[in-house]
Amino acid sequence: EAQVTQNPRYLITVTGKKLTVTCSQNMNHEYMSWYRQDPGLGLRQIYYSMNVEVTDKGDVPEGYKVSRKEKRNFPLILESPSPNQTSLYFCASSFGYTQYFGPGTRLTVL
Amino acid sequence: QQPVQSPQAVILREGEDAVINCSSSKALYSVHWYRQKHGEAPVFLMILLKGGEQKGHDKISASFNEKKQQSSLYLTASQLSYSGTYFCGTEISARQLTFGSGTQLTVLP
Repeated sequence: EAQVTQNPRYLITVTGKKLTVTCSQNMNHEYMSWYRQDPGLGLRQIYYSMNVEVTDKGDVPEGYKVSRKEKRNFPLILESPSPNQTSLYFCASSFGYTQYFGPGTRLTVL
Repeated sequence: QQPVQSPQAVILREGEDAVINCSSSKALYSVHWYRQKHGEAPVFLMILLKGGEQKGHDKISASFNEKKQQSSLYLTASQLSYSGTYFCGTEISARQLTFGSGTQLTVLP
């Protein structure tokens, strides 16, 4: 089944404790992206990647890192999480114009 | 800069029509429309490329006015399944999407 998977789906952590949210797609898509969703603000793009080893900043990249060493994986790294990074995070991949979103990761930073 | 969507919320009865608008202050390459149901991931509906074309998907269609940098999503004869939050995403440069804050659509029986 063609899909985008994210892990973990839910995470509660404390300020400053490094964490990684994984994203994987099995559709051989070149383009992948990370978004955060907050009430009243819609989806905001954090980082995107056009292909392996090619990443670029979206609208809200501060406090986040990404890497794209393999085509299928695009992890999101928070090296020192802060409470303002509490949000719902979506990973997406696309071939052409249609973006396929993962199920989301709800992150709470205390 | 985030595109502006209007209205923020709309409530309809089944069978009624609705229009959701999306406008940007910048020249757009394309406009994407997505629908998100509560607790689920956004789902792609359609894309409109520069050129003012209109597209349709069942009873949902959209237009793109390139001169005004505006797009509208038309929902005809709404069904209960149309309920959800609709987002427009605007593309100014290649593959960098900026989404509006969403329009919450509720269809009542």
